Amino acid sequence: EVQLVESGGGLVKPGSSLKLSCVASGFTFSSYGMHWIRQAPKKGLEWIALIYYDSSNKYYADSVKGRFTISRDNSKNTLYLEMNSLRSEDTAMYYCAKATTVALWGQGTLVTVSS
Amino acid sequence: NTVMTQSPTSMFTSVGDRVTMSCKASQNVGINVGWYQQKTGQSPKRLIYWASNRDTGVPDRFTGSGSGTDFTLTISNMQAEDPAIYYCLQHNSYPPWTFGGGTKLELK
Repeated sequence: EVQLVESGGGLVKPGSSLKLSCVASGFTFSSYGMHWIRQAPKKGLEWIALIYYDSSNKYYADSVKGRFTISRDNSKNTLYLEMNSLRSEDTAMYYCAKATTVALWGQGTLVTVSS
Repeated sequence: NTVMTQSPTSMFTSVGDRVTMSCKASQNVGINVGWYQQKTGQSPKRLIYWASNRDTGVPDRFTGSGSGTDFTLTISNMQAEDPAIYYCLQHNSYPPWTFGGGTKLELK
C-alpha cells in the first residue's frame, strides 16, 4: 500500500524548534520530489516546501524561508522538516505529500505553538 | 505568484444534483491543475490531475475540465458521501505551488 506517515508534532513554545518526519512506503521514494504543506485550524491549504528527488533543489514559501529546512534520507525513505524560531502563526496540521503534482498526502501531524 | 480563485465559497446541494464549482487562475497555468477533496477530519485526497484525469478509484461522477485560466470540477450525481471542501492546486509556475481557497459543499 502506498502510504505516507508523518510524526514529530506537538505543543511547543514560541521561539522553539521542532523536527517533523514523514516515512514513505509502497513506492520508490527516491524517485519523487516531496512537499510539506500545512493547514492552520479552520483554514485552507498552504504549501511551504518542496525538495527534489535527489535533494538537488529545495524551494520554500516566503512565510517559512530562513526558519524551516526541508531534507530527506532516501536510504530511510524519510522526509524531514526542521522548524526553528516557531511562531504562533505556525500552528497547523503539517502534511507531507508525494510528487511535484501533489498526488498523495499523509494523515498529518499537528504542531501547536503557544506559550 | 499565481493566484487561484475558487467559487462559490460554499454551496448547498441535494443528493442526485449536478454540482459545478470553478477555479480561476491569475495567469495561464496550462493543464497543470489538480482537484482535491477534504472531508471533515481527514487529509486531502486528489481526485483529478492534469485538469481532467481522474485518479484511480475516483468515481466517474467526478469530472474535471478546463485549461489556461479557467477550470471546473463537476459532480454529475451528488451522493451522500460527497460533502467536503474541494480545493484546486496549480503546479505550473512554482514556487510557490498555490491552492485555491476552497469550495465547501454541503447537503441541504
